[in-house]
Amino acid sequence: QLQLQESGPGLVKPSETLSLTCTVYGGSISSVGSYWGWIRQPPGKGLEWIGSIYFGGDTYYKPSLKSRVTISVDTSKNQLSLKLSSVTAADSAVYYCARFIGYTSHFDYWGQGTLVTVSP
Amino acid sequence: DIQMTQSPSSLSASVGDRVTITCRASQSISSYLNWYQQKPGKAPKLLIYAASSLQSGVPSRFSGSGSGTDFTLSISSLRPEDFATYYCQQSYSTLFTFGPGTKVDIK
Repeated sequence: QLQLQESGPGLVKPSETLSLTCTVYGGSISSVGSYWGWIRQPPGKGLEWIGSIYFGGDTYYKPSLKSRVTISVDTSKNQLSLKLSSVTAADSAVYYCARFIGYTSHFDYWGQGTLVTVSP
Repeated sequence: DIQMTQSPSSLSASVGDRVTITCRASQSISSYLNWYQQKPGKAPKLLIYAASSLQSGVPSRFSGSGSGTDFTLSISSLRPEDFATYYCQQSYSTLFTFGPGTKVDIK
């Protein structure tokens, strides 16, 4: 059974870089057909896809965040990472990592989420 | 971006009711449409993928239909544990987008 666990600072100052890690347990992050994404949810609001990374390292980002986002994979640690630069209060949210698979690209495994607050 | 809309934004229903939620895409997405259920404080849970395929372990009272731009999620007979928020998500484009959600609460 695949398990995903997000980790990182719960508080980030405005203009700084938010850095989160997602550790994958119970399977390899390099499994063929497994791809990875980050999704966030501001308090009381809906889900927002941030970006995805595919086997081979291709990345896709939400256009409005593209200039500030980097998603990468460290296969030696079985980890996915998210970096979001120049954060503002609007970036305060619960951040989820998730796996998506197949040609239908549905997110079938999710982490429990981690709350990040941007505040001085 | 492909924009996703959902209707209604919220609804009140009783246990045993049949509930239908609609999701619409701003352009044709074939059958690349997935549905998730989210309860407060929890991660979303996949219910339906590829518009109509039931995820393993999901009760058969949940069903999905549609293709192109219009999709529906139906719950045949609402149970207490189904009160939650439901989101659609398109995966036709590599730039995924979610719908704004439909909150189902108790009448």
